[in-house]
Amino acid sequence: DIQMTQSPSSLSASVGDRVTITCRASQSISSYLNWYQHKSGKAPKLLIYSASSLQSGVPSRFSGSGSGTDFTLTISSLQPEDFATYYCQQSYSTPTAFGQGTRLEIQ
Amino acid sequence: QVQLQQSGPGLVKPSQTLSLTCVISGDSVSSNTAAWNWIRQSPSRGLEWLGRTYYRSKWNNDYAVSVKSRITINPDTSKNQFSLQVKSVTPDDTAVYYCAREDRTSGLDYFDYWGQGTLVTVSS
Repeated sequence: DIQMTQSPSSLSASVGDRVTITCRASQSISSYLNWYQHKSGKAPKLLIYSASSLQSGVPSRFSGSGSGTDFTLTISSLQPEDFATYYCQQSYSTPTAFGQGTRLEIQ
Repeated sequence: QVQLQQSGPGLVKPSQTLSLTCVISGDSVSSNTAAWNWIRQSPSRGLEWLGRTYYRSKWNNDYAVSVKSRITINPDTSKNQFSLQVKSVTPDDTAVYYCAREDRTSGLDYFDYWGQGTLVTVSS
């Protein structure tokens, strides 16, 4: 099975900061990588699919890049509503797998 | 607009069976371009995929190895819903459980619609 590893596990930042979260797969997954935002008490929200495609309705400050084993999620200018936990997920093979999450906190 | 509405008990006793249902509106459980999944979230495990059901000329299921011996996911075409059963639960099964649609239209496969989540606590 493919394992997904995110870094960092937590991150403190301020409104307006540029933030990057990294996700690494245990083997090549081409571009089959999705990113989700999860706020406590709410369902996870799809942000990015296929490594770099922005889901409809998601603000353009979110972007994704990478292929193979290394991927990044970038938030260009943090907004107050962006403080949440972020997960990557590989959809290359079954079983799918999520990273352990990156908690983004207000500094 | 696809909506998923979950229902089921929030408290289950150890060794008993956890049962949840997810009602689909705006799509069909028999869709040839979607799969219907159960995912849980806990502080210790983060997001954990449990399994899915989908129709491609016949019904198919995939399950996570960690729960495969205890889990069943069934579609109900008459009610356009699908269900989750986890047998012989322990406190380690305490989590928020989500149903989710997996869009498989383009082969890229992602979870684009989610239920509201159900906190299930396993305790006597």
